[in-house]
Amino acid sequence: NAGVTQTPKFQVLKTGQSMTLQCAQDMNHNSMYWYRQDPGMGLRLIYYSASEGTTDKGEVPNGYNVSRLNKREFSLRLESAAPSQTSVYFCAVGRGGMYEQYFGPGTRLTVT
Amino acid sequence: GESVGLHLPTLSVQEGDNSIINCAYSNSASDYFIWYKQESGKGPQFIIDIRSNMDKRQGQRVTVLLNKTVKHLSLQIAATQPGDSAVYFCAETHNTDKLIFGTGTRLQVFP
Repeated sequence: NAGVTQTPKFQVLKTGQSMTLQCAQDMNHNSMYWYRQDPGMGLRLIYYSASEGTTDKGEVPNGYNVSRLNKREFSLRLESAAPSQTSVYFCAVGRGGMYEQYFGPGTRLTVT
Repeated sequence: GESVGLHLPTLSVQEGDNSIINCAYSNSASDYFIWYKQESGKGPQFIIDIRSNMDKRQGQRVTVLLNKTVKHLSLQIAATQPGDSAVYFCAETHNTDKLIFGTGTRLQVFP
């Protein structure tokens, strides 16, 4: 029972390159989330998915796209990476609404 | 790896003492609150939650207090241990899927 897994753990991109961050869960929860974490900014929501087939923007969606492939998987894509997207990215899952979210180990992304 | 970095408020306590970490929230309509612990290089870990119809909730060695009048939340850790050293975040929500996180407090435990 791995909970929430994320790949890759680390990534370095050049400006303009694209990549997809993967998230998978075995907790059978409906809601999945992508956050970024920057120094002094706490965790900010990029996109979330309340159920398979639905996605919604969070606080900082610009420059990102998401895909809820099935109940287990939720991917985050950077089409043209920028240095401002250097951050640590966390995927989280939960029952939605007023319930806790469970976080993956994170992906540390550096864009040069 | 860092969790949140350069200008985090820091609480330093001696091992065995009690710790109190505070959080001011912004939305008076928020009705659900969570505390998370984040160790270096790891994702946030759920500690305890509380709904707005409660003032206090206790877990194992932790207690969360909610004061809705002044929009204040606190996390009390009894008999603080070196393993409690981490960054602690509060989060709030108002009947939605979206949690709003605070910027965090670093807890340092000295022997």
